[in-house]
Amino acid sequence: QKEVEQDPGPLSVPEGAIVSLNCTYSNSAFQYFMWYRQYSRKGPELLMYTYSSGNKEDGRFTAQVDKSSKYISLFIRDSQPSDSATYLCAMSPRSTLTFGKGTMLLVSP
Amino acid sequence: DADVTQTPRNRITKTGKRIMLECSQTKGHDRMYWYRQDPGLGLRLIYYSFDVKDINKGEISDGYSVSRQAQAKFSLSLESAIPNQTALYFCATSDTDREAEAFFGQGTRLTVV
Repeated sequence: QKEVEQDPGPLSVPEGAIVSLNCTYSNSAFQYFMWYRQYSRKGPELLMYTYSSGNKEDGRFTAQVDKSSKYISLFIRDSQPSDSATYLCAMSPRSTLTFGKGTMLLVSP
Repeated sequence: DADVTQTPRNRITKTGKRIMLECSQTKGHDRMYWYRQDPGLGLRLIYYSFDVKDINKGEISDGYSVSRQAQAKFSLSLESAIPNQTALYFCATSDTDREAEAFFGQGTRLTVV
């Protein structure tokens, strides 16, 4: 079993839809949970950063961490075509990151 | 200018050649990392450095070496390139106070023929 599992997609939704992206993990030592967005031919950029369990909201984006279930989610409200990208979950016990394989999201106008 | 700069952006090299990928940062971070990204495999850690005198192997260090020339510079070398090292390579940095929050460069696309 990989340490971090993420469905590669692609996930196709119409503009305005609510998007749910998820990752599961097996390492109980993970304390930091991140979501990165990667546009084609670009480096990943940090979208959300969460420590331990709970929710964090930033504009249209909400990150949820459930450590008891070893499950994290990213919700995107009112999705836009500009949200079309690959979303990578990442986790860390402290500093070095373990990434999921990424989910490709396509938002059609 | 980008905070994390990688050179070259694209490179084609032949099997057996030595190649160096360079990374420089203006963020003032102590920690620097090299990752490779392959389709279907995601991002995997090659080497990382917490300061100038510190070098650590990551998940997939075989066939690679690194040098931390200064706080702001971290280079990755392939001593004898092979085709399965064809990948997208990323340099990243993080600050000691928020060590899990990484900032990535734009990547180097390396093709070994």
